[in-house]
Amino acid sequence: AQTVTQSQPEMSVQEAETVTLSCTYDTSENNYYLFWYKQPPSRQMILVIRQEAYKQQNATENRFSVNFQKAAKSFSLKISDSQLGDTAMYFCAFMKHDYDKVIFGPGTSLSVIP
Amino acid sequence: ETGVTQSPTHLIKTRGQQVTLRCSSQSGHNTVSWYQQALGQGPQFIFQYYREEENGRGNFPPRFSGLQFPNYSSELNVNALELDDSALYLCASRIGGNQETQYFGPGTRLLVL
Repeated sequence: AQTVTQSQPEMSVQEAETVTLSCTYDTSENNYYLFWYKQPPSRQMILVIRQEAYKQQNATENRFSVNFQKAAKSFSLKISDSQLGDTAMYFCAFMKHDYDKVIFGPGTSLSVIP
Repeated sequence: ETGVTQSPTHLIKTRGQQVTLRCSSQSGHNTVSWYQQALGQGPQFIFQYYREEENGRGNFPPRFSGLQFPNYSSELNVNALELDDSALYLCASRIGGNQETQYFGPGTRLLVL
């Protein structure tokens, strides 16, 4: 069975600084997807960034980038130039290539401090 | 906003009752998944529907059941409610069985007393 671990329950960062959120996962699959989702307080969960396991190049979306280490089963999220609107719960998630269920980690609560 | 809507937004029930939650998927999306998110935790997969058929289920008892309609909207039914069923229930839709990106609704917050 697949598992997703986020070892940082809470983090904080100064506005305009850079922060990295950690995620590790366990799977015997070779093809899969990894995601970072953001859940702002009392607002909808939205996709931040996704990575396909067969792609070696790390995904990037504007200020958000990932460091995908397939052998180490590590998938960290880097947020550059942090903004107040980045304050949210961040969930790392995994999905097998058969498009079955998405498995979420326990989340990291990120606070951006003015 | 994602275009996925859920109703009601909040609900209070008592133990032993039954509840039905509804989800309207984003236009063109034929796959809907339901998740239970307890306070302070990540979402847990309940089940998934693809073209009106259940095609995946998590570790939830049979009292959690669902439906998907021809217009791809969906319902989650929970019978014999227990206190531990109190949670935020999220639905997520995606464009097809072979597309990985899900779009989440705002959720229904259920409180069981």
